[in-house]
Amino acid sequence: NAGVTQTPKFRVLKTGQSMTLLCAQDMNHEYMYWYRQDPGMGLRLIHYSVGEGTTAKGEVPDGYNVSRLKKQNFLLGLESAAPSQTSVYFCASSRAGEGNQPQHFGDGTRLSIL
Amino acid sequence: AQSVTQLGSHVSVSEGALVLLRCNYSSSVPPYLFWYVQYPNQGLQLLLKYTTGATLVKGINGFEAEFKKSETSFHLTKPSAHMSDAAEYFCAVSDQDRDDKIIFGKGTRLHILP
Repeated sequence: NAGVTQTPKFRVLKTGQSMTLLCAQDMNHEYMYWYRQDPGMGLRLIHYSVGEGTTAKGEVPDGYNVSRLKKQNFLLGLESAAPSQTSVYFCASSRAGEGNQPQHFGDGTRLSIL
Repeated sequence: AQSVTQLGSHVSVSEGALVLLRCNYSSSVPPYLFWYVQYPNQGLQLLLKYTTGATLVKGINGFEAEFKKSETSFHLTKPSAHMSDAAEYFCAVSDQDRDDKIIFGKGTRLHILP
């Protein structure tokens, strides 16, 4: 099994451009997450989803949108990229549970906004 | 609300020495606790987790952690460090208000000295 796959792995954008990051999981997990990781700040939750067709805001949702049209896919969109969105983005998924289910992570997308 | 504090953003140990990475949490109810490891240019991988039962939890690669309720701690240890242990380590606690989120600490980067 591939687990959690993120595409693309690297991308450079100009300020104002838009793009979509794709996350796909093959573990039939109910929950999916998008985080960003910046030096000294750990992981910050952007948006998450507890099931197909549902999404919710995390800690730092501004400037991002998400969609979960299929259970296995979770898309993260940047409508108008800004230099402050330069970061490493991680997708994760987990089974539904009583908070005791670990999250499984992809290898990240390194995004630079010029 | 739950929170996680990792003491020391950087820790250096000599190869063969004891590894001790500190994690303290705050939670009003018995928590579920996790340690993750992140190698360079990769996503996070689960090292171990505590849910219920035995307070000493063994994980992969020779790591273990002990849940101490009285100290609200979940420190990660390994008796003898190996060069391959150089990575960033994240402690995390489940959000008891919701079963769909995990709260991560800011991470500790472990350096192994030859």
